[in-house]
Amino acid sequence: GAVVSQHPSWVICKSGTSVKIECRSLDFQATTMFWYRQFPKQSLMLMATSNEGSKATYEQGVEKDKFLINHASLTLSTLTVTSAHPEDSSFYICSAALHRGTYEQYFGPGTRLTVT
Amino acid sequence: DAKTTQPPSMDCAEGRAANLPCNHSTISGNEYVYWYRQIHSQGPQYIIHGLKNNETNEMASLIITEDRKSSTLILPHATLRDTAVYYCIVRVGTNAGKSTFGDGTTLTVKP
Repeated sequence: GAVVSQHPSWVICKSGTSVKIECRSLDFQATTMFWYRQFPKQSLMLMATSNEGSKATYEQGVEKDKFLINHASLTLSTLTVTSAHPEDSSFYICSAALHRGTYEQYFGPGTRLTVT
Repeated sequence: DAKTTQPPSMDCAEGRAANLPCNHSTISGNEYVYWYRQIHSQGPQYIIHGLKNNETNEMASLIITEDRKSSTLILPHATLRDTAVYYCIVRVGTNAGKSTFGDGTTLTVKP
């Protein structure tokens, strides 16, 4: 149990276009999901916290108008990279919080975004 | 969340135990120690977590010192598939709080 999926697993888009990435908790409900970004040979950097039914909370330095997050249901959060540029090329990973006495985080497999 | 310190890299022979240390000297009383690993180009995988008692599951054992300022993740019989970056994270476990990832330890299991 506690499986998180992401779609697509990889995407290539042209500069200036927008890309939507989906994150789903397949066998549990998650009121809170997180979005991370990871550049090559670096650690995960938290971008934002997504709460079902409310606005996302963005980390300092992350442009909320560029990275739109929607958490419309207890099993789905989406990240839309608007007007993508080559510097947005990265590995995007989501996670969902599951309460089992304590809160555990389960991560999706990640989405590789390449902007040409 | 408390800051953690891990060695950047470690090697381990296949079949031997891998012991990965983590220092978290500023840990608070309500913070848990969580371990995740990330195999190349995949999302992190939850391994184990604990508060103050030692914990064991099918993947690993977690040993937390009595003062809780450090911990060790033990993979009892490392295999080549255990080669990954291992992250030690400290955070409050009673809310769905964010996890802050440090640089982790790159474990290389060698034949």
